[in-house]
Amino acid sequence: QVQLQESGPRLVKPSETLSLTCSVSGNSISSSSYYWGWVRQPPGKGLEWIASFYSVGSTLFNDSLKSRVSISGDTAKNQVSLTLRSVTAADTAVYFCARGRGNWNYEYFYIDVWGQGTTVTVSS
Amino acid sequence: QSVLTQPPSASGTPGQSVTISCSGGSSNIGSNTVNWYQQFPGTAPKLLIYRNNQLPSGVPDRFSGSKSGTSASLAITGLQTEDEADYYCSTWDETLRGPVFGGGTKLAVL
Repeated sequence: QVQLQESGPRLVKPSETLSLTCSVSGNSISSSSYYWGWVRQPPGKGLEWIASFYSVGSTLFNDSLKSRVSISGDTAKNQVSLTLRSVTAADTAVYFCARGRGNWNYEYFYIDVWGQGTTVTVSS
Repeated sequence: QSVLTQPPSASGTPGQSVTISCSGGSSNIGSNTVNWYQQFPGTAPKLLIYRNNQLPSGVPDRFSGSKSGTSASLAITGLQTEDEADYYCSTWDETLRGPVFGGGTKLAVL
């Protein structure tokens, strides 16, 4: 059974950098069958995809966040990391780690496994 | 402002049927398959329907999905109180080059 567990600071100051880690068990992030990434949900609002990577080194970013986001995978630790720079109050959200499945042209793309989420507040 | 448009709320009584709509455009729903997620308060979303009408293992067949042109629908028959949740549609957007979500529909089972 695949499980995703997010970890990281719950409180980040404005203008600083948010770093989150997702520990994956039951599935290798090196698998060529899946995308690994992050989705966030501001309080009381809907879901927003942030970024994903594919095992062969292909990364995808939400254009609205691309200039501030980095995503990477540590195959030795089987972890996925997210970095979001220059955060503001608008980045306050629950951040979910997510496993995605899709085909070569994204005619289908869906998230089949979600982490429980971690709440991050941006405040001084 | 979400790329995909859903009604903010829907409701029904136990045993009834309800349909939730999701409207998009040619670069998203018109080109790719649609997924639906169910989310209870304080928990992670759960995949409910994928590739327009496929049910993951364990999802009751009271749930069904369909797509026509640039719109999609989620239908729930035989409503149960435990179906009360938020429902999100999602698909890939060719222009934005990533997955996009609807704003979510809060379903009340009265």
